[in-house]
Amino acid sequence: ETGVTQSPTHLIKTRGQQVTLRCSSQSGHNTVSWYQQALGQGPQFIFQYYREEENGRGNFPPRFSGLQFPNYSSELNVNALELDDSALYLCASSLDRTEEKLFFGSGTQLSVL
Amino acid sequence: GENVEQHPSTLSVQEGDSAVIKCTYSDSASNYFPWYKQELGKGPQLIIDIRSNVGEKKDQRIAVTLNKTAKHFSLHITETQPEDSAVYFCAALTGGFKTIFGAGTRLFVKA
Repeated sequence: ETGVTQSPTHLIKTRGQQVTLRCSSQSGHNTVSWYQQALGQGPQFIFQYYREEENGRGNFPPRFSGLQFPNYSSELNVNALELDDSALYLCASSLDRTEEKLFFGSGTQLSVL
Repeated sequence: GENVEQHPSTLSVQEGDSAVIKCTYSDSASNYFPWYKQELGKGPQLIIDIRSNVGEKKDQRIAVTLNKTAKHFSLHITETQPEDSAVYFCAALTGGFKTIFGAGTRLFVKA
């Protein structure tokens, strides 16, 4: 086990709604990255947070936003949900922003109807 | 933009045979190449990694090779076992913080 937990495990929303996904990183890990994994595809980088600040972002629109808290927890927020947002959302913690090894949680499966 | 291509998408081998998965990357500045294994209902788990100053690395039945000139890297699994059945992802670190993943290889090991 990686020590990274995500909640909820499954979620169903309708188009236009907003959603918040949660992640608890490994203790001592000050960096968290979020990924979107569509069915049959590899994870796609959304953004990374280091010490509560966004450290880098992939090709995702501003309606994808995040927060990181001092207690090793973090959130991914998605506004104005679209059908194409249906995917597995993974968070991955790492010891530091210069540490390349990622420790993934089991993900939140989001379905948008 | 940065890209990692992975082949094959599906691989079926007999138990005890070897399996090879190949990847290419586009960003010549990438210097870290991890491999992840994803089982059903779980997140990806790091199984082995290699840095650009090393050509080959081995860990028991798993080995990775890197050809930086050609921007190719490969995963080799010897003496495959049914529990090796999973989806394998190659990846490359780019920009110092962003890990780019390949599309994955679904490996089936037949007993």
